[in-house]
Amino acid sequence: SQTIHQWPATLVQPVGSPLSLECTVEGTSNPNLYWYRQAAGRGLQLLFYSVGIGQISSEVPQNLSASRPQDRQFILSSKKLLLSDSGFYLCAWSASGGIYFGEGSWLTVV
Amino acid sequence: QKEVEQNSGPLSVPEGAIASLNCTYSDRGSQSFFWYRQYSGKSPELIMSIYSNGDKEDGRFTAQLNKASQYVSLLIRDSQPSDSATYLCAVPNYGGSQGNLIFGKGTKLSVKP
Repeated sequence: SQTIHQWPATLVQPVGSPLSLECTVEGTSNPNLYWYRQAAGRGLQLLFYSVGIGQISSEVPQNLSASRPQDRQFILSSKKLLLSDSGFYLCAWSASGGIYFGEGSWLTVV
Repeated sequence: QKEVEQNSGPLSVPEGAIASLNCTYSDRGSQSFFWYRQYSGKSPELIMSIYSNGDKEDGRFTAQLNKASQYVSLLIRDSQPSDSATYLCAVPNYGGSQGNLIFGKGTKLSVKP
C-alpha cells in the first residue's frame, strides 16, 4: 500500500531564516505530488504540484519554492521566511478518487 | 473564482444522533466531490467521495449529491464522540492537476456523550 511521510513534524523558525520541508512517498511510482498550506482561519490552499521529476507548477505567488529531485521526493523551501508563512504544511499525492495527505508539518515563524 | 461554502459550526449533536453536514459549490460543472475528516492538530483524511446524483453509503456515513442545487451533504448516523472533528468538503479545480482541490473551510462537529 502507498504511504507518505513528511518531516519535520514541527519547527519554529525566525523571520528571515531558510526553510526546507521534505516529503517522500512509498508504494507507488511517478505519483502526482502536492504541497498544501492550511493557515489559521483559512482553508487548505494548494501551493505547488508536480507531475514528474523536475516538473513544478505554482498555484500562488509567494516566497516559497518547491523541487522534485527524485520520483518520490518533494521538497518545499524558502530562502527567507516571513511571519505570514506560518501554518500547517501538507504534502499529498493523488490517486483516482481523491488525494491523500501526509502527517503535516507545523511551521511557526517568530 | 470557484468556491466551496460550508457552515463553520460548531455543530453539536448528542451521541447516537444523526449529524448532517452541508456544502455548496459554485462551479456547476463540478463532477466529483470529496469529504475529509480532520482531527484537531492532524492532517485531513479522505472519508467519502461521490460522483453521481443521489446517495452513497459507507458504513455509518452517507454522502448525498444534488448537482441541480449544487449541494452535497454528509450524514453520520449513530454519531460517536470519536466523530468529533472538522469535516472538509472539496471539489476539483478543473484546468489544473487531478489533485488540485478547492476546499471549504470546514464544519466543526462536536458529539456529546
